[in-house]
Amino acid sequence: GAVVSQHPSWVICKSGTSVKIECRSLDFQATTMFWYRQFPKQSLMLMATSNEGSKATYEQGVEKDKFLINHASLTLSTLTVTSAHPEDSSFYICSAWAGNQPQHFGDGTRLSIL
Amino acid sequence: QKEVEQNSGPLSVPEGAIASLNCTYSDRGSQSFFWYRQYSGKSPELIMSIYSNGDKEDGRFTAQLNKASQYVSLLIRDSQPSDSATYLCAVKGSSNTGKLIFGQGTTLQVKP
Repeated sequence: GAVVSQHPSWVICKSGTSVKIECRSLDFQATTMFWYRQFPKQSLMLMATSNEGSKATYEQGVEKDKFLINHASLTLSTLTVTSAHPEDSSFYICSAWAGNQPQHFGDGTRLSIL
Repeated sequence: QKEVEQNSGPLSVPEGAIASLNCTYSDRGSQSFFWYRQYSGKSPELIMSIYSNGDKEDGRFTAQLNKASQYVSLLIRDSQPSDSATYLCAVKGSSNTGKLIFGQGTTLQVKP
C-alpha cells in the first residue's frame, strides 16, 4: 500500500524557533500534498494544499508567512513553522494524493513549543 | 449546516456486536467517500473507500452509500476492543483538487 513518511514525529523547542517538517511519499508520486493541524479532541483542520512546483493554497485564516510550504518534487513537501509560539503547539499531519486515489496520511508530527 | 456531519458519540457497543457509524454530507456533487480510523495520538488510517451507491464489504467492515439521501455509513461486525477509536468520515467534493471534507469523527468504544 501507499506509504507516506513524515519527520520528525516529535519536536519540542523554545518559543521563537523555526521548525521544519518533511513529508515524503515513498512508493508513489503525489500530485498533491495536504497539510493538516489537529488540536486535542478535534477533527483535522486543513491548513494548505501543496502542488509540486507551484505556490501552496492556504485555507482561510492560515497565515502563509508563518506556515511556509515548499513542494520541491512529486515526492517531497515541507512545512516550516516560522518563529513558533506556544499557541502553535499542535499535531501536524501531512497527506499525499495521487489522483483518483484516497489520501494517504503520514504518521504526524507532534509539535510542542515551550 | 456543517458540510459533513457525524454524531460525535461516544458510541459504546459490547464486544462481538455490530457497530453502526453514520455520516451525512451536504454537497450533492460529491464523488468519493472515505472512512478513516484514528487511534488516540495517531494519524488517520484509511479503512474503507466507496464511490457508488450500495454496499462495499471488506472483512468485518461494510460501507454503505446512498447518494440520493446524501448518507454514508460504516458497519463493523464482530466488534473488538481493538476497534475502539475515532472514525472519521471524509468526502471528496465535486472539484478535482483532491481536497477532503472531514466530519468531526465518531468515537467508538468496544467494551469487553
